[in-house]
Amino acid sequence: GAVVSQHPSWVICKSGTSVKIECRSLDFQATTMFWYRQFPKQSLMLMATSNEGSKATYEQGVEKDKFLINHASLTLSTLTVTSAHPEDSSFYICSASRGLKEKLFFGSGTQLSVL
Amino acid sequence: DAKTTQPTSMDCAEGRAANLPCNHSTISGNEYVYWYRQIHSQGPQYIIHGLKNNETNEMASLIITEDRKSSTLILPHATLRDTAVYYCIVRVGFAASKLTFGTGTRLQVTL
Repeated sequence: GAVVSQHPSWVICKSGTSVKIECRSLDFQATTMFWYRQFPKQSLMLMATSNEGSKATYEQGVEKDKFLINHASLTLSTLTVTSAHPEDSSFYICSASRGLKEKLFFGSGTQLSVL
Repeated sequence: DAKTTQPTSMDCAEGRAANLPCNHSTISGNEYVYWYRQIHSQGPQYIIHGLKNNETNEMASLIITEDRKSSTLILPHATLRDTAVYYCIVRVGFAASKLTFGTGTRLQVTL
């Protein structure tokens, strides 16, 4: 089946630094990828929709200048958390679909801890 | 996407069938019912989806009522590894359509 790889699995960084998370579709091309965030004991919240070759679409309340998304190829989308602060500590998950009428597959997630 | 309602938690004995209900009374004609589960600290895993007919795969069965306002996910022989949060989601069935997660049902499978 289709596989979505996410890297790194976990990252610890100092407050004020930037962190990049990669999401790759390993055996298919994905024109659209989605980025979610999940706080402890809460459900997944959609942050943004990443479109290959164009600007991402952000959900209401998500700062586009803080969470930079780049979808430069059909197999790679990146999420950069800029000037991270402790409140950005969360579980970040990406997802992608192989094509029309196909189900979404999810990466294994990235646990970000900002000290 | 249509809103879904699921019980907060359920228990099931190992080896027994786990029946997880979901209400989606405002579902539209072009929206599919998807089920995903999330084991602790992992990304969601696809289980099954359907439009109006009942569906079965190697993991589970999906029963959708005739009026499509509710559905039930059935795990025929639950094991301890099925302990997870199960999400019922309705979504327009094309790739660019986002998934909106509700609170899900926390299924605890016990010995």
